[in-house]
Amino acid sequence: AQTIHQWPVAEIKAVGSPLSLGCTIKGKSSPNLYWYWQATGGTLQQLFYSITVGQVESVVQLNLSASRPKDDQFILSTEKLLLSHSGFYLCAWSQGAGTGQLYFGEGSKLTVL
Amino acid sequence: GEKVEQHESTLSVREGDSAVINCTYTDTASSYFPWYKQEAGKSLHFVIDIRSNVDRKQSQRLIVLLDKKAKRFSLHITATQPEDSAIYFCAGENTGYQNFYFGKGTSLTVIP
Repeated sequence: AQTIHQWPVAEIKAVGSPLSLGCTIKGKSSPNLYWYWQATGGTLQQLFYSITVGQVESVVQLNLSASRPKDDQFILSTEKLLLSHSGFYLCAWSQGAGTGQLYFGEGSKLTVL
Repeated sequence: GEKVEQHESTLSVREGDSAVINCTYTDTASSYFPWYKQEAGKSLHFVIDIRSNVDRKQSQRLIVLLDKKAKRFSLHITATQPEDSAIYFCAGENTGYQNFYFGKGTSLTVIP
């Protein structure tokens, strides 16, 4: 069975500090990977997606970057956090375009002070 | 690009009644429409989906209808229970791209 793990579960960071959020998928080779951002009580905004190692496409950057260093790993990062980065970050995977649903991780809650 | 609109931002129903959540989409190339449930403080979990080659799908108390002409799809939750209370998101996928487009969510409250 496939599992998706996100880390950290929650983080409180200062404005201007760096951030790294991670996501690992086990039990599935070559998944499509996605990062979503959800403001408190709000809509899901897709940030990035990746269909293969080393390739990441930006949908909305929000002063964030993403990388896929391994087939099963997706990293979201920034060197300088803004207050507006606060929210809930969700990693998800799918088997490929048109193959069906997204499977979401449990999310990382980020509070920027 | 695709836009998915979710018409009800909040919905309250009495336990045992049916709840209906409506969504519309703009891209006629969209062909896959999943629904997700999000409980307070938690992630999204898949509940049901429909593909464009059918117009109705049922899974236990959940029914999803698709009207391709009107570019509209809806989630019907029958015999609602308090544990159905959550935020429900509709989504559409244009299979030519790698993107899912989500509605803004409907907060459903089932009153015991």
